[in-house]
Amino acid sequence: DILMTQSPSTLSASVGDRVTITCRASQSISSWLAWYQQKPGKAPKLLIYWASSLESGVPSRFSGSGSGTEFTLTIYSLQPDDFATYYCQQYHSYSTFGGGTKVEIK
Amino acid sequence: EVQLLESGGGLVQPGGSRTLSCAASGFTFSSYAMSWVRQGPRKGLEWVSVISDTGETTFYADSVRGRFTISRDNSKNTVHLQMHSLRAEDTAVYYCAKAWLNGVNGVSFYYWGQGTLVTVSS
Repeated sequence: DILMTQSPSTLSASVGDRVTITCRASQSISSWLAWYQQKPGKAPKLLIYWASSLESGVPSRFSGSGSGTEFTLTIYSLQPDDFATYYCQQYHSYSTFGGGTKVEIK
Repeated sequence: EVQLLESGGGLVQPGGSRTLSCAASGFTFSSYAMSWVRQGPRKGLEWVSVISDTGETTFYADSVRGRFTISRDNSKNTVHLQMHSLRAEDTAVYYCAKAWLNGVNGVSFYYWGQGTLVTVSS
């Protein structure tokens, strides 16, 4: 099984900050990586697929990069609506999720 | 507008069975794979199973293989998850998701329903 490791697990930031979340795969997954946003009591929402492709309707302040085993999600100029938990997910082989990164208000 | 409405959750005794259903609308159901993903209490996300658009191909997580069965009815735009031999660790919110298969066995998720809670407890 491919293990996905996210860091940090919690991140405190202010509105307007640039935020970076890292995801590492236990083996190469090419660019078969997605990022999701989840708010409390709600279903996850797809933000990024194929490591860097922005899902339709997602604000351009969200950006994904990386390939192989190292990936990042960057939120440029954090907005109040962005405080949530973010998950990376590999779909190279079946599917596994990272443990999540909770973005909190500083 | 894509809508996925899960049903069938509830309290089940250990060793028991339950069937979840997901009613889809707002897209051409028969053109998409469908999947189930679960989230245990205060836990992260765990993929459970996926079924191809035609229903010919299914995949399962190791944790549920042999106990859970996914199926779909393209005439009714529904997907089901039959769960048997349920354990406490199966307690979770179960999400139905419109999915995409990468041509081998990788699966990603375009859109998720709001979920249905399954609690396995005596």
